[in-house]
Amino acid sequence: EIVLTQSPGTLSLSPGERATLSCRASHSVMTNYLAWYQQKPGQAPRLLIYGASSRATGIPDRFSGSGSGTDFSLTISRLEPEDFAVYFCQQYGSSITFGQGTRLEIK
Amino acid sequence: QLQLQESGPGLVKPSETLSLTCAVSGDSISSSGYFWGWLRQPPGKGLEWIGTAFYKGGTYYNPSLQSRVLISVDTSKNQVSLNVTSVSAADTAIYYCVRHWGRLLWSAFDSWGQGARVIVAS
Repeated sequence: EIVLTQSPGTLSLSPGERATLSCRASHSVMTNYLAWYQQKPGQAPRLLIYGASSRATGIPDRFSGSGSGTDFSLTISRLEPEDFAVYFCQQYGSSITFGQGTRLEIK
Repeated sequence: QLQLQESGPGLVKPSETLSLTCAVSGDSISSSGYFWGWLRQPPGKGLEWIGTAFYKGGTYYNPSLQSRVLISVDTSKNQVSLNVTSVSAADTAIYYCVRHWGRLLWSAFDSWGQGARVIVAS
């Protein structure tokens, strides 16, 4: 099983700042089959990024994904108030597993 | 517009079977060619993939849950069902019905139901 470790656990930033979230895999993720989700309180997760770097339908271009192999990141270029949420990464190259999440909070 | 709606008992006794149904509207399970799955999220924790089904009969499960899980598709009702047997408190979670992206089995999840909260307690 591929274990995904997200860091930091909590990230405190202000609107307008740049956020970089990390997702590290215990083994190489095949064909960069990695996705990112955003989850707000009381809501289901929303797909942001698939294939490590492709934005899902309707996702603003301030969200970008990068990485390969075992190291991946999600970058939010300029934080908007609605971006403060929990973010999960998921790999689907070898079965399906998720990271434990990063909470992005307002500083 | 695609909508997924989970339903089922919110309280299940230990050792019994948890049964949930996902009603799909805005798309046909049998003609769309998509895979349909279930995930869960224990309180305050991360997400866990439970399993996935295809309307032609293929099913795929998380190895850690495979012995207790059954997912089925009812094309006549356009529904996906989940059964988890011999439940314990560890099965307490929000259960989500999802659609796999891109008509692929191993993929991200691009559509989600609002979730069904299930508590296992006597």
